[in-house]
Amino acid sequence: RKEVEQDPGPFNVPEGATVAFNCTYSNSASQSFFWYRQDCRKEPKLLMSVYSSGNEDGRFTAQLNRASQYISLLIRDSKLSDSATYLCAVKEWDKLIFGTGTRLQVFP
Amino acid sequence: SQTIHQWPATLVQPVGSPLSLECTVEGTSNPNLYWYRQAAGRGLQLLFYSVGIGQISSEVPQNLSASRPQDRQFILSSKKLLLSDSGFYLCACSNTSGNTIYFGEGSWLTVV
Repeated sequence: RKEVEQDPGPFNVPEGATVAFNCTYSNSASQSFFWYRQDCRKEPKLLMSVYSSGNEDGRFTAQLNRASQYISLLIRDSKLSDSATYLCAVKEWDKLIFGTGTRLQVFP
Repeated sequence: SQTIHQWPATLVQPVGSPLSLECTVEGTSNPNLYWYRQAAGRGLQLLFYSVGIGQISSEVPQNLSASRPQDRQFILSSKKLLLSDSGFYLCACSNTSGNTIYFGEGSWLTVV
């Protein structure tokens, strides 16, 4: 079983839609959780950290479910510019382990 | 905030040739440093990480090696490249008190 798993997608959604991604992790001792965004042929960039109580940043909401060992990312009111690959990441001690990413394509 | 410089940005190398990718970090001291690889259509694979000068942890057996000769310098090397070494190589850093990791702009390696 992979340490961090994501549905690769693609998720094709119209502008204005709400879309959600899930990510599961296998190590119950994982300490911290993150979502990154990666544009085509670019480096990943930190989108947001994921806190136990859930957190929101504008149109983006991240949640953590430790009991079921998954994190989620909700994007409301999708924009064309949201089209990218979204990577979840799980920190284990000094290492950050990434999922393979979920591709999102927002169309007009 | 830290800045990560990584070079070269792209390179095409023949099979069996050596490799050296360099990464330097500014704006932080005693950072944790990382090398990741992203092969075509695949996820980010952690290759090496370092918590201090001369301290290297290898995550996967392969023909690559890493060195950290200075606090803010991290080098990825190979003596003989394989076709399977092609990919997008990313240097990353976090400071020891920070939780998050930031990436350099990456190096595209094509082995032919």
